[in-house]
Amino acid sequence: GIQVEQSPPDLILQEGANSTLRCNFSDSVNNLQWFHQNPWGQLINLFYIPSGTKQNGRLSATTVATERYSLLYISSSQTTDSGVYFCAVRPPGGGNKLTFGTGTQLKVEL
Amino acid sequence: GAVVSQHPSRVICKSGTSVKIECRSLDFQATTMFWYRQFPKQSLMLMATSNEGSKATYEQGVEKDKFLINHASLTLSTLTVTSAHPEDSSFYICSARVNQRLYNEQFFGPGTRLTVL
Repeated sequence: GIQVEQSPPDLILQEGANSTLRCNFSDSVNNLQWFHQNPWGQLINLFYIPSGTKQNGRLSATTVATERYSLLYISSSQTTDSGVYFCAVRPPGGGNKLTFGTGTQLKVEL
Repeated sequence: GAVVSQHPSRVICKSGTSVKIECRSLDFQATTMFWYRQFPKQSLMLMATSNEGSKATYEQGVEKDKFLINHASLTLSTLTVTSAHPEDSSFYICSARVNQRLYNEQFFGPGTRLTVL
């Protein structure tokens, strides 16, 4: 099956700093989503981005499907950004299944 | 975005009992729902795909007789953990997919934390 790797696995930032999270996948995809899992376990949809670039406030994402990676940018980080960030992908012909990446644990400190 | 609810949020039960978890899509119809399991500090692992009006499709290694799934309507899927044991303790998360031809984003419920004593 498709492999999804995220980097870095852990990240500690000072409030106000910027960061880039990466998601590499081993095969072509027709769906890619980014999620933030908050400390209570809720998965929050950040982006539905099988290709191209999107922005939402301090967050933006870019997926280069031909090169099999996606990037999530967080600018001016806040303590509420802390949590785990997951990307998840679905390959063509992969049924309905989303395969989750390994995750990036982010901690934003004052 | 679409809203998915899950109930209960937390359950503690004795070994040998069965536990039912409900997953509802509140503002859209979902012909397909999904059940995931997450262990501490790990990623989400798909357990099964729930299809409205038909049998669920289970991932390799998931016991279908232990994890019973029923998708009786376009807005409700249930997961029943039968004869639960301590090793079934985990965080269970459901999701539902918006099913349009060129758009099929998945939305997730808040999860159910199961503790089996």
